[in-house]
Amino acid sequence: GAVVSQHPSRVICKSGTSVKIECRSLDFQATTMFWYRQFPKQSLMLMATSNEGSKATYEQGVEKDKFLINHASLTLSTLTVTSAHPEDSSFYICSARPVGGATNYGYTFGSGTRLTVV
Amino acid sequence: GDSVTQMEGPVTLSEEAFLTINCTYTATGYPSLFWYVQYPGEGLQLLLKATKADDKGSNKGFEATYRKETTSFHLEKGSVQVSDSAVYFCALRGNSGGYQKVTFGIGTKLQVIP
Repeated sequence: GAVVSQHPSRVICKSGTSVKIECRSLDFQATTMFWYRQFPKQSLMLMATSNEGSKATYEQGVEKDKFLINHASLTLSTLTVTSAHPEDSSFYICSARPVGGATNYGYTFGSGTRLTVV
Repeated sequence: GDSVTQMEGPVTLSEEAFLTINCTYTATGYPSLFWYVQYPGEGLQLLLKATKADDKGSNKGFEATYRKETTSFHLEKGSVQVSDSAVYFCALRGNSGGYQKVTFGIGTKLQVIP
């Protein structure tokens, strides 16, 4: 089945530094990848949608200069949290839509990245 | 816009009890409906899905029926196990083109005690 690998699973960084999170589709090509953020005891909030070779589309309220998304190939999307602050600490999770994926199938999710900014 | 309303937990049940987690939605057209499960410390896994009215999704003893007349997709299981302890998310994805983003409910934490 379709597998999405997300790396790292956990990261602790100092305030002011940048952190890159990778999302890879292992056995399929992903036209579109989605990045979500999950606050404690809350649901997943869509941050942005990325399409291979084009600029990401950000949801309202998400700072695109802070959360840089690059979807350079059909199997890799990256999210970079720039100049991280403690309030950026959260669980980040990606999902991928296969090329030509049928509209009636769920997207495949990565296992998530727990970011802690100290 | 699309929205999903899900009962807030936590829900605590004894092993072998019957489970119902309510979910209702608001969407235009005919969305696809999903239940995802998140085990402690892990990402989301698709549990089951339904793509049109009256479809029943089922997996691992869990079931949910797409009820368009009541815009609901309640999750049920006849006999829960300790291993079912997790957070369950109801979700929908519109079928009206575009990026077809997934909208999630708030998630319901289920705790099953022996």
